[in-house]
Amino acid sequence: QKEVEQNSGPLSVPEGAIASLNCTYSDRGSQSFFWYRQYSGKSPELIMSIYSNGDKEDGRFTAQLNKASQYVSLLIRDSQPSDSATYLCAVEMRSNYQLIWGAGTKLIIKP
Amino acid sequence: NAGVTQTPKFQVLKTGQSMTLQCAQDMNHNSMYWYRQDPGMGLRLIYYSASEGTTDKGEVPNGYNVSRLNKREFSLRLESAAPSQTSVYFCASSEEVAGLAGTETQYFGPGTRLLVL
Repeated sequence: QKEVEQNSGPLSVPEGAIASLNCTYSDRGSQSFFWYRQYSGKSPELIMSIYSNGDKEDGRFTAQLNKASQYVSLLIRDSQPSDSATYLCAVEMRSNYQLIWGAGTKLIIKP
Repeated sequence: NAGVTQTPKFQVLKTGQSMTLQCAQDMNHNSMYWYRQDPGMGLRLIYYSASEGTTDKGEVPNGYNVSRLNKREFSLRLESAAPSQTSVYFCASSEEVAGLAGTETQYFGPGTRLLVL
């Protein structure tokens, strides 16, 4: 079982709709969770971090964390073609504080 | 500020050749990391350095060596390249000291695309 799992996609969403990206993890002790965006041929860049159960909003992005169910999600409202990218979920392992990365979900926003 | 820089951007090696990937950051960060990224797989940690003078193995250290030359620079060396090391290599840095509670944002360099024939 992979420690951090994401649906590889591609996930196709119409422009203006809500894109929902999900991530599950295996380490129950994890406390820190991150969503990075990676454009094709580029390096990852941080979108959001979340540490507590519930929702955290930043502009069009909302991260949701449920530690009991061991999942974290990212919602993108009013999706734009510029949101088309691969979204990487990263989870901090409690054992050594290193980040374990999911393989990423490719998101395509169709105009 | 340039952030995190990496050289070279692209490299082609023959099996058995050696090379060093260079990484530098100008954000005065304590921690630096080397990852590799392969298609269909997440970023995998090769080595990290929590502070100047210290290095530790990550998930996939075999076939690699690192040097934390000073606070700014962290290099990755392939002593005898193998086709399995064909990948995209990313260097990253963060302010937080790895191994302590809480991991701060990691900032990534542009990557080095390595092909080993």
